[in-house]
Amino acid sequence: QKEVEQNSGPLSVPEGAIASLNCTYSDRVSQSFFWYRQYSGKSPELIMSIYSNGDKEDGRFTAQLNKASQYVSLLIRDSQPSDSATYLCAVNGGYDYKLSFGAGTTVTVRA
Amino acid sequence: NAGVTQTPKFQVLKTGQSMTLQCAQDMNHNSMYWYRQDPGMGLRLIYYSASEGTTDKGEVPNGYNVSRLNKREFSLRLESAAPSQTSVYFCASSESGGSSYNEQFFGPGTRLTVL
Repeated sequence: QKEVEQNSGPLSVPEGAIASLNCTYSDRVSQSFFWYRQYSGKSPELIMSIYSNGDKEDGRFTAQLNKASQYVSLLIRDSQPSDSATYLCAVNGGYDYKLSFGAGTTVTVRA
Repeated sequence: NAGVTQTPKFQVLKTGQSMTLQCAQDMNHNSMYWYRQDPGMGLRLIYYSASEGTTDKGEVPNGYNVSRLNKREFSLRLESAAPSQTSVYFCASSESGGSSYNEQFFGPGTRLTVL
């Protein structure tokens, strides 16, 4: 059973600040990691994927992976009110095609 | 491309009624998935289909059946709906059935209420 844990939040940050979201997972053989953004009443939208240790940057988003610590994070730089959403961490193990999702962290960006 | 589409968007059932949720993707993906999302519990996998002609149980399969009609379509059936099946249902698809680099793309969801 793969477990994925996230801080439930809510995480409130002022506009222009950095939002930092954390995710830990229990399955040591997990190989791929994803961050999804979900606006209220909408479906999850893939915003980042990361497969190897280190940082991966895409625009204002940076994903960080540390497999030894079984930890993956998402940084949102220069946070905007449009970043207000729930962010889901998802982990895929090495054995199958299934993703395990965390419960999500709700982010609110204050204007 | 429409991506992943789901019908219906909303549905209200009475306990014991049956219904089928439809899902289709136009991305030529091999794998398809059905999830349910309940408040505070994240997304839980109901069933998945790694490739056309195969289906497997996920984390919460009880009370559901699926059919992979062809490569594009994957349906979810509730034979006898129960109030515990009130949820938001998402269909997703991914390109590869054999790789862990498995980016999944979601449909818009179906909000189901069972009275």
